[in-house]
Amino acid sequence: NAGVTQTPKFQVLKTGQSMTLQCAQDMNHEYMSWYRQDPGMGLRLIHYSVGAGITDQGEVPNGYNVSRSTTEDFPLRLLSAAPSQTSVYFCASSYWSPHDRGSNSPLHFGNGTRLTVT
Amino acid sequence: KNEVEQSPQNLTAQEGEFITINCSYSVGISALHWLQQHPGGGIVSLFMLSSGKKKHGRLIATINIQEKHSSLHITASHPRDSAVYICAVLGDFGNEKLTFGTGTRLTIIP
Repeated sequence: NAGVTQTPKFQVLKTGQSMTLQCAQDMNHEYMSWYRQDPGMGLRLIHYSVGAGITDQGEVPNGYNVSRSTTEDFPLRLLSAAPSQTSVYFCASSYWSPHDRGSNSPLHFGNGTRLTVT
Repeated sequence: KNEVEQSPQNLTAQEGEFITINCSYSVGISALHWLQQHPGGGIVSLFMLSSGKKKHGRLIATINIQEKHSSLHITASHPRDSAVYICAVLGDFGNEKLTFGTGTRLTIIP
């Protein structure tokens, strides 16, 4: 198993450009999520999904779009990049069931994407 | 006030010391995660707890749901334990959002 694969590892964008951060997992996890990590602020949830066709907003969703057309993939789109979106982005997945929330599995993180917007 | 508070923010200890990192939260939760992030940046899950206590090697995690508090203990600490330790809580039913503490930076001196 590859686990959670995030691409790219590094990206530099100009203000106003768009891009998609890719996240894929091969563990058949229902729960997938995107976070940004900024110095002194810890990890903050951007968007999450509990299954294909279902997405919801996290703490800092503005400027980001997501979709979940398959269980395996959960891409994060920046429609018009801004310098405030300079950050390190992590994708994570875990087992999740609406009928047994106590059985949540540990979180599996991708290796992160370091994004700089100039 | 943050929903998840960790203490201390920074901790420096000598090799071999017993380490305790605390996490308090103010919301109803269904699970609590302890994570480790090394200077290289990768994040690894250490524990997922919904009650009681778990042990893995030299690491022990406990949670008290009534007091909304969890602790991560490291016995016989080693320089390779130097990392940032992060507490994260998963919301209660209908709120599958993860909220993170800002982390505890642990440095173990040989």
